[in-house]
Amino acid sequence: EPEVTQTPSHQVTQMGQEVILRCVPISNHLYFYWYRQILGQKVEFLVSFYNNEISEKSEIFDDQFSVERPDGSNFTLKIRSTKLEDSAMYFCASSEGAVTSARREQFFGPGTRLTVL
Amino acid sequence: GDSVTQMEGPVTLSEEAFLTINCTYTATGYPSLFWYVQYPGEGLQLLLKATKADDKGSNKGFEATYRKETTSFHLEKGSVQVSDSAVYFCALTPMYSGGGADGLTFGKGTHLIIQP
Repeated sequence: EPEVTQTPSHQVTQMGQEVILRCVPISNHLYFYWYRQILGQKVEFLVSFYNNEISEKSEIFDDQFSVERPDGSNFTLKIRSTKLEDSAMYFCASSEGAVTSARREQFFGPGTRLTVL
Repeated sequence: GDSVTQMEGPVTLSEEAFLTINCTYTATGYPSLFWYVQYPGEGLQLLLKATKADDKGSNKGFEATYRKETTSFHLEKGSVQVSDSAVYFCALTPMYSGGGADGLTFGKGTHLIIQP
């Protein structure tokens, strides 16, 4: 069964460093998403991506964040200068269709735990 | 904006007990509603969904009915097992989006613990 994969599973970094979190969405999916979950809190939407551009972003997704689809299979989230409060589990998701279509189900990866020291 | 409220956990039950996890939402029109489950150390898995009023989603013995009049989507299971221990998230997507790729709005999650 196809699945979303994410690497690394755990990333530790120093405050102020740049990190890139990687995701491989399901191959025939066209819509891609990043979410984060701070420990003990709810899952929060960060950004969605379609047709090589950002479709929607939340207020959390400020200038420190960027997303890219560098090739036909990877989808990355970059945090330019990490802060302590960026420590969280980051989930990638993908869907075949738009949110208003019958193929709207979002499939989630296992997550990358980011720890900023 | 849209929001989802679900009962706080942890919820501790004995095996074979009846389960209800409450979920209510605030959104414009008729959003699509979902329950996701997160097992320890794993990502989010879609458990069930409903896309219009009075729809009942069901999977693995769990079910939830989309109640527009009470803006609710409560999760139920008649007889829980130890393997159902997990965190359950209620979520929604809007009825209409100009962009098409809208993110899910999640509740805070309910940690369910089933004791043998």
